[in-house]
Amino acid sequence: NAGVMQNPRHLVRRRGQEARLRCSPMKGHSHVYWYRQLPEEGLKFMVYLQKENIIDESGMPKERFSAEFPKEGPSILRIQQVVRGDSAAYFCASSPIQGAEEQYFGPGTRLTVT
Amino acid sequence: GENVEQHPSTLSVQEGDSAVIKCTYSDSASNYFPWYKQELGKGPQLIIDIRSNVGEKKDQRIAVTLNKTAKHFSLHITETQPEDSAVYFCAASKETSGSRLTFGEGTQLTVNP
Repeated sequence: NAGVMQNPRHLVRRRGQEARLRCSPMKGHSHVYWYRQLPEEGLKFMVYLQKENIIDESGMPKERFSAEFPKEGPSILRIQQVVRGDSAAYFCASSPIQGAEEQYFGPGTRLTVT
Repeated sequence: GENVEQHPSTLSVQEGDSAVIKCTYSDSASNYFPWYKQELGKGPQLIIDIRSNVGEKKDQRIAVTLNKTAKHFSLHITETQPEDSAVYFCAASKETSGSRLTFGEGTQLTVNP
């Protein structure tokens, strides 16, 4: 059973460009969480999604960031007009059912904004 | 909202010694406490977790204890090995918040051969 998959693993963008980060949850998992990890810091919650629904986006910056988890295909975290402060590792986690609590993380996408 | 504090930030032990990492949480409604191990350049790996209805859980060389009254929980690693060297994160969540995790700041554990 494949684990959580994220791509790309590394992404370099110039200031003002758009970044799209993709996450495919573990097989059978329908809940996806995105976290951001700044250098030398812990992970911070961004958004929680189920298929076609955003359940909790309280950790998302109000502007430039959006997320989706369509009926078919991976979850996408989109960052518009990137700035240097967006440089971080972005991790996706999945869980099988609501309330199951165990979250399994992907390898992350390391975004560098130049 | 929930706040999780983790200590120490760095821990160096000799191979074979025990290592203990401690965390405190602020929200008494939190009921799930996982521990993750993160190696350089990789994603966090779930190594053990505990729910609020138990006080201790053990899996081979690792164990976790929970004190609900004091709102703190600890990770214990016995007979440490060099491959245990990594950053360890504690976290807390509650079902009513959609199970999102609030993480501590991490502990860099170094096991010296």
